[in-house]
Amino acid sequence: DAGVIQSPRHEVTEMGQEVTLRCKPISGHNSLFWYRQTMMRGLELLIYFNNNVPIDDSGMPEDRFSAKMPNASFSTLKIQPSEPRDSAVYFCASSPLQIGEQYFGPGTRLTVT
Amino acid sequence: KQEVTQIPAALSVPEGENLVLNCSFTDSAIYNLQWFRQDPGKGLTSLLLIQSSQREQTSGRLNASLDKSSGRSTLYIAASQPGDSATYLCAVCPSGTYKYIFGTGTRLKVLA
Repeated sequence: DAGVIQSPRHEVTEMGQEVTLRCKPISGHNSLFWYRQTMMRGLELLIYFNNNVPIDDSGMPEDRFSAKMPNASFSTLKIQPSEPRDSAVYFCASSPLQIGEQYFGPGTRLTVT
Repeated sequence: KQEVTQIPAALSVPEGENLVLNCSFTDSAIYNLQWFRQDPGKGLTSLLLIQSSQREQTSGRLNASLDKSSGRSTLYIAASQPGDSATYLCAVCPSGTYKYIFGTGTRLKVLA
């Protein structure tokens, strides 16, 4: 199995631009999580999907952030418009169970200038 | 509100030493606890998952224990190697939720 796949691995963009991060979970996993990691705040859960349905998006910082999961093998996290304080590493993780071992992707390092 | 603390924040040891990393949490009502390893610039790799009904889990040179009543978990690494150098994070899943709460990690450096 290829594991959780994220793209792009690095993204540099200017303030105000739209950013789309992509994730392919491990086949057969029905839970998907988007996290953000910064030095100041550590690892924070942004949104959680179960069976392609958003269950909890209370961690999404602002309306500028949105996430979708159109099918079991693909999810996106979009930031529009982006701001410098959005600079962070964004991780996607999947799990075969709602509460169980989570498998993380390699992350997308986002820099907003 | 569940809070997870890891001490020390950083640790440097010579190769071959046995070492213990600590994780404490404020609410003992948990489903499980996971220990992860994160290498620089990489994602997290799950090392061990301990269910709330378990006391410990072992994998190779790693042993994780859980004491819910005292709100503590330890990760024991036997005969440390330079390849063990990484940041180790613990994460707690509180009962009634699916959200893992992460500690800030212990940055380990094993010197050759």
